[in-house]
Amino acid sequence: EVQLVESGGGLVQPGGSLRLSCAASGFTFSSYWMSWVRQAPGKGLEWVANIKQDGSEKYYVDSVKGRFTISRDNAKNSLYLQMNSLRAEDTAVYYCARDLGAGSGSFPFDYWGQGTLVTVSS
Amino acid sequence: DIQMTQSPSSLSASVGDRVTITCRASQGIRNDLGWYQQKPGKAPKRLIYAASSLQSGVPSRFSGSGSGTEFTLTISSLQPEDFATYYCLQHNSTPRTFGQGTKVEIK
Repeated sequence: EVQLVESGGGLVQPGGSLRLSCAASGFTFSSYWMSWVRQAPGKGLEWVANIKQDGSEKYYVDSVKGRFTISRDNAKNSLYLQMNSLRAEDTAVYYCARDLGAGSGSFPFDYWGQGTLVTVSS
Repeated sequence: DIQMTQSPSSLSASVGDRVTITCRASQGIRNDLGWYQQKPGKAPKRLIYAASSLQSGVPSRFSGSGSGTEFTLTISSLQPEDFATYYCLQHNSTPRTFGQGTKVEIK
């Protein structure tokens, strides 16, 4: 059974840092791009970043470029999001999601974690 | 970046009604689109992949159609458990982009 379990959320002051983790199981983690998606309270879904299978390519939404860093450890089946210089507008539930797989016939964003809440407030 | 314009933003419907939600892409995305249902406090759940393929376990009253720039999610006969917010998501290119969401409420 595919499982994605996020952790690391919490309350942080503006300008502070937080590192989110996503533990993956039930599939070959190293064969998939992985993404982070967030949802501010009462708002829609926003894609944040993704990372290629071997970590060689990373992409970000403009609003987090230079502040957030996505990474992965395939030996630990884990995905990370390092968030620095946090702002009130980063307050959201952060989800990890399985993105594109290797080869044809992959249909991304089939599995999602339960989310972890990040609150940026003084 | 590809913009996804979803409409309507909300709708009120009764049990048994046929409901249609539309997403329009700012440029062609082939069939690289999924539809998601989200209930309060829960993660999104995929209903449709590749624009028109029904996710395993999802009731057949849900269907998707379209290719290129115009996509539709249809619920043929709305059930009480279908009241939720629905999103489209394009994965043709990065950044991935979502539609703004459609909240389906009880009439």
